[in-house]
Amino acid sequence: RKEVEQDPGPFNVPEGATVAFNCTYSNSASQSFFWYRQDCRKEPKLLMSVYSSGNEDGRFTAQLNRASQYISLLIRDSKLSDSATYLCVVNEGNDYKLSFGAGTTVTVRA
Amino acid sequence: EAQVTQNPRYLITVTGKKLTVTCSQNMNHEYMSWYRQDPGLGLRQIYYSMNVEVTDKGDVPEGYKVSRKEKRNFPLILESPSPNQTSLYFCASSLASGLETQYFGPGTRLLVL
Repeated sequence: RKEVEQDPGPFNVPEGATVAFNCTYSNSASQSFFWYRQDCRKEPKLLMSVYSSGNEDGRFTAQLNRASQYISLLIRDSKLSDSATYLCVVNEGNDYKLSFGAGTTVTVRA
Repeated sequence: EAQVTQNPRYLITVTGKKLTVTCSQNMNHEYMSWYRQDPGLGLRQIYYSMNVEVTDKGDVPEGYKVSRKEKRNFPLILESPSPNQTSLYFCASSLASGLETQYFGPGTRLLVL
């Protein structure tokens, strides 16, 4: 079983729509959670960290559900520029290794 | 400009011919790591380094070597490349550990024939 699993999508949404997707992780000791964005096989870039209480950054909202071991990302008022692959990243607890999901592809159409 | 650089960006080689991919960061970061990315598998960590002369295996270290003789450099060495090492490779650095924002280099596309 993969440590971090994501729905690969693609999620095809019109501009202005809301899109949301989850990422599940297997290690209950995981402490740190992140969403990274990757454009077309370029380098990943941090989108946002995910905090226990949930957090928002503009049109992006991240949530953590420890009981069910998943994190979520919601994008409101989607823009064409939001088209990308979103990578879920989880720290495996007591060491400094990171586990990456395979990514969820979002395509926003005009 | 704060950045992570990798060279070469593209490389085609043949089985068994030793190669090195360089990685350098100018942010005085302690932590550096190497990943490979393959379709459907996401990024998998090859090796990481917490500081100079301190390296450790990631999830897929077989067939790779690294060294960290200077803080800014973290080269990835393939002593005898094989076709299953054809991949997109990313170097990354962060301030102190893998628990912080990772800054990635632009990637190296490697094809082993």
